[in-house]
Amino acid sequence: DTEVTQTPKHLVMGMTNKKSLKCEQHMGHRAMYWYKQKAKKPPELMFVYSYEKLSINESVPSRFSPECPNSSLLNLHLHALQPEDSALYLCASSQRRDNNYGYTFGSGTRLTVV
Amino acid sequence: RKEVEQDPGPFNVPEGATVAFNCTYSNSASQSFFWYRQDCRKEPKLLMSVYSSGNEDGRFTAQLNRASQYISLLIRDSKLSDSATYLCVVNSPGTYKYIFGTGTRLKVLA
Repeated sequence: DTEVTQTPKHLVMGMTNKKSLKCEQHMGHRAMYWYKQKAKKPPELMFVYSYEKLSINESVPSRFSPECPNSSLLNLHLHALQPEDSALYLCASSQRRDNNYGYTFGSGTRLTVV
Repeated sequence: RKEVEQDPGPFNVPEGATVAFNCTYSNSASQSFFWYRQDCRKEPKLLMSVYSSGNEDGRFTAQLNRASQYISLLIRDSKLSDSATYLCVVNSPGTYKYIFGTGTRLKVLA
C-alpha cells in the first residue's frame, strides 16, 4: 500500500459548523503533515507530526486543531472557520526527515466555507 | 531571499521542444531535493528526486549544483501531457519540514 487516503474529498461547511478531515497511510511512515493550498499557490505547511507527536505548528489559528491518534492516522478538526479558509487541504507522509524519498501526498479535501 | 525560488513562468513551448527550469535554494546544508508535478486541482506528485550526480528518467533529467545552490529540471521532447505546474522542494535540515518553491507553470502547445 503506497497511498495516503484522505476523506472526504469535498466538504462544504458553515462558519458555525464543526467538521473533521481524515488522513490514513499504511506505509509505516513516521512523519505526517497537513498542508493548505490556495489556487495558484504552492502548498503551505500547517502542522507536522513525527512519531505521533506534534513537532511543528506553523502558527496556525486555533480554529484548526490537529490530532494524531496513532501512527497511521491524522485528523484535522475544524471549528468556526472563515470563508478565507476555503482551500485544498493536503495530507502527506514521509519516511523520516532528511530522506531521499520526499513526501507522498493524499488527493486532498477541497473545503468550502460558506 | 526566499528559501526556495523558482521562476513562476508560464513557459509556453511547442510540442517536441526542450524546456529547462531552475530552482535556487538558500540553505547550503540542505541534502534532499525533489521535483514534484501538480496538475490543476490535483495533489502534487513526486516526479523525481535529485541526486548529486544528476539523474535521468526517460525524457526528464535533474541536476544539482551545490556550489551555486540550484537544481534544474530538463524536459526533452515535450508532450501535451507535460502541461502542469512543476514544484521544486528542498528539505529544511534537521527537521521534518520540506520547503516548496512557488512552482513553474508549463504549457505545451500543439
